[in-house]
Amino acid sequence: QQQVKQSPQSLIVQKGGIPIINCAYENTAFDYFPWYQQFPGKGPALLIAIRPDVSEKKEGRFTISFNKSAKQFSLHIMDSQPGDSATYFCAATGSNFGNEKLTFGTGTRLTIIP
Amino acid sequence: DVKVTQSSRYLVKRTGEKVFLECVQDMDHENMFWYRQDPGLGLRLIYFSYDVKMKEKGDIPEGYSVSREKKERFSLILESASTNQTSMYLCASSPGDRPYEQYFGPGTRLTVT
Repeated sequence: QQQVKQSPQSLIVQKGGIPIINCAYENTAFDYFPWYQQFPGKGPALLIAIRPDVSEKKEGRFTISFNKSAKQFSLHIMDSQPGDSATYFCAATGSNFGNEKLTFGTGTRLTIIP
Repeated sequence: DVKVTQSSRYLVKRTGEKVFLECVQDMDHENMFWYRQDPGLGLRLIYFSYDVKMKEKGDIPEGYSVSREKKERFSLILESASTNQTSMYLCASSPGDRPYEQYFGPGTRLTVT
């Protein structure tokens, strides 16, 4: 199975809060988990990615938490700002798929209100 | 910076027309991809190519074909457009040694009437 389930579909958080977006997968062959950020009128852009050999990765205000046993990973945005308002997609791939085929979640529309 | 450009931002076509969507990347990437993006469905892979003249079906190839005659250019063809192909189409490219790092173009919003 190649599905990646993402929740919530939409999220509204006040400035300074910590939005959390969750993803779950079934296929244990996945070994690379990127997150993409998409602003209106633009294509998605790679934001941050993690491999299952670590449980957490931070880049600036963005953190991925990874739980291998539960087959879940999540994106946290610290000190969220209105400029973080965008649609976020989680994804997964693995060497079994040639690493080219990314399976995307359905997306989360995040709104940060001032 | 990697640049992926798509020939049109908006396109309106009639049912039954043949439609060409063009994508060009300037980073000498080996891999190129075509996705469609629909609300609530995320990004779904239509086709990808890992080399010139090579192509692989993605998850939803029906009704589409592709062409890659040059490394930098990847075309998506709708042989006979239908209303259920109204969507946002996104092109992406990635380097051969890091195929999972995909760089996307701005998208083409296609409306089929």
